[in-house]
Order: sequence, then structure tokens, then C-alpha cells
Amino acid sequence: EPEVTQTPSHQVTQMGQEVILRCVPISNHLYFYWYRQILGQKVEFLVSFYNNEISEKSEIFDDRFSVERPDGSNFTLKIRSTKLEDSAMYFCASSEGLHVGIQYFGAGTRLSVL
Amino acid sequence: GENVEQHPSTLSVQEGDSAVIKCTYSDSASNYFPWYKQELGKGPQLIIDIRSNVGEKKDQRIAVTLNKTAKHFSLHITETQPEDSAVYFCAAKADKLIFGTGTRLQVFP
Repeated sequence: EPEVTQTPSHQVTQMGQEVILRCVPISNHLYFYWYRQILGQKVEFLVSFYNNEISEKSEIFDDRFSVERPDGSNFTLKIRSTKLEDSAMYFCASSEGLHVGIQYFGAGTRLSVL
Repeated sequence: GENVEQHPSTLSVQEGDSAVIKCTYSDSASNYFPWYKQELGKGPQLIIDIRSNVGEKKDQRIAVTLNKTAKHFSLHITETQPEDSAVYFCAAKADKLIFGTGTRLQVFP
């Protein structure tokens, strides 16, 4: 069964550094998403991406965050000038369509900012 | 802004009993309501979903009901098994997916 894969599974960084979280969405999917889950809390929407553009973003997705689809398979989330409060699980998801497509989630990357 | 409330936050049942988790949403434009199961250390996995033109949907031991007038939707798990133990999230989607706060379900043998 096709799945969304994320690397690394755990990323540790120093406050102020830049991190890149990587995702390989399901191959025929056109819509890509990033979500965040702080430990013990609910999953929160960060951004959706379609046709090489951001479709929607939340207030969490400030100007330190950016997304990119650098090639035909990868979808990345970059966080610059990381803060302690960026520590969370970050989930990538993809779907075939926007309004009818089921979103399939990866296993997540745990980001620890020290 | 959009909000999804979920109750209860924890639920403990005996194996074989039923479990019910309830959610309410605020955005009347929401038209898609998935339920996700999250096991420890894993990402959310879709278990069932329902669209706004349907009032009920069932898949084996799992059923979901939707009351659009009241903006309520519920997950029903019958004949619970220990492997059903996980955190369950409801979500509602208008333009983006908004998750509930989660329910930790424990099924005791």
C-alpha cells in the first residue's frame, strides 16, 4: 500500500538554527500538507500546497517557515531561526484532491529544539 | 475561528463493550468529517470518514453519525478489542482540516 514517508524520524537542533524536514508524498497525489502536534496536544494545520504554491496557511506558519517541492517527489518544510516552542511532531500528509481527497499522513518527524 | 471540540478526553471500556466519542464543530461550511486513529509513535491513520450529504456510515465495527443541524458528529466502536486502544481524533474540513483535541481510548481485556 502506498504511504507517505518522512525523514528524519527525529531531528535535534540548537535554538536559532535552521532545519529542513523532508517528506515523500504518495506518488499520484497533488495536494500536500504539513501539520504540527505539540506533545499531548491536538494536530494543528500549518500549510497546504498545490501546483507549486501555498494554498492556505495558518497563523503558526510565520515568516520563519517555508515549504518547497524541489523535485517531482520530495516536499520539504524549512524552519529558520528555530525557537524552543517549535519543538513538536511534524506530520506531512498528501491527498489526491482538495475537496474530496482523503489525507494520508506520514509517521512524523520529532523536532527537538534545545 | 474554526474550532472542533471533542469529548471525552479519556475513555476506558471493557473488551467487548461499545465506545462512543463525540465532536462538535463551529464552521457551518464544513462538509467532510474524517476520524483518525493515532497509535504511540505513529502518524494519524484514517479509520472512517463521512461527508455532509450522508447522515450515517458504517464499516464493520465502526460507525459514524453526523447531525449537520446541530453540528455534531460521533464515532461508535462496537465489540471493542484491546488493539482498539489508541488516541482517536475527529476532524472537520471546510477549506482546511481542523482536528479535535483527541480521545485516549483504553480497552481492558
